[in-house]
Amino acid sequence: DVKVTQSSRYLVKRTGEKVFLECVQDMDHENMFWYRQDPGLGLRLIYFSYDVKMKEKGDIPEGYSVSREKKERFSLILESASTNQTSMYLCASSFSARLAGAPGSHNEQFFGPGTRLTVL
Amino acid sequence: AQKITQTQPGMFVQEKEAVTLDCTYDTSDPSYGLFWYKQPSSGEMIFLIYQGSYDQQNATEGRYSLNFQKARKSANLVISASQLGDSAMYFCAMREVYSSASKIIFGSGTRLSIRP
Repeated sequence: DVKVTQSSRYLVKRTGEKVFLECVQDMDHENMFWYRQDPGLGLRLIYFSYDVKMKEKGDIPEGYSVSREKKERFSLILESASTNQTSMYLCASSFSARLAGAPGSHNEQFFGPGTRLTVL
Repeated sequence: AQKITQTQPGMFVQEKEAVTLDCTYDTSDPSYGLFWYKQPSSGEMIFLIYQGSYDQQNATEGRYSLNFQKARKSANLVISASQLGDSAMYFCAMREVYSSASKIIFGSGTRLSIRP
């Protein structure tokens, strides 16, 4: 089974703190993604990575940075947490290319359980 | 620009009835893929079903089927014989085939509640 794990299910931080959210996948996926989920807005892409040390901005990168030093690990960093970053954060991973019919061949993304971050 | 629209914020359905969750999309790319995901209260997103833009037949996976109407740009999810465990948020999503890193965009979701 594909396994995507996130370091914390719940996290409470104070305004101005530096926050690290860790994500690890065990399926040798090339692509990894960070989303935030807010009621009524669905999932919005923050950053993604298609290879080690490669990263690209998503739709809402402001206030965030990422790091991918190893293929299986993708970290989201809030340099100086603010109250408007209180949200659910979801990590996902997927293959770049796969033989038709094989699991993951549609490039479907596999998600971790999410981290609910509260910034006070 | 790509866009996914889910117009039903919430739905209530009686157990064992069929339910249709609406999804419309907009893209200028001739090649794309459409997904449905389920998110139970536990929070984890679960992949349900996929439809490719060139697939001739509507996708089916067990009790899930995708009513794909390309000309109308709609990709509704049909759940047959609903069960209490189907209560969850459901997200429609789309990937453009030639997008970098297989990015997916998501709709705002529909909260489905199954009544016993």
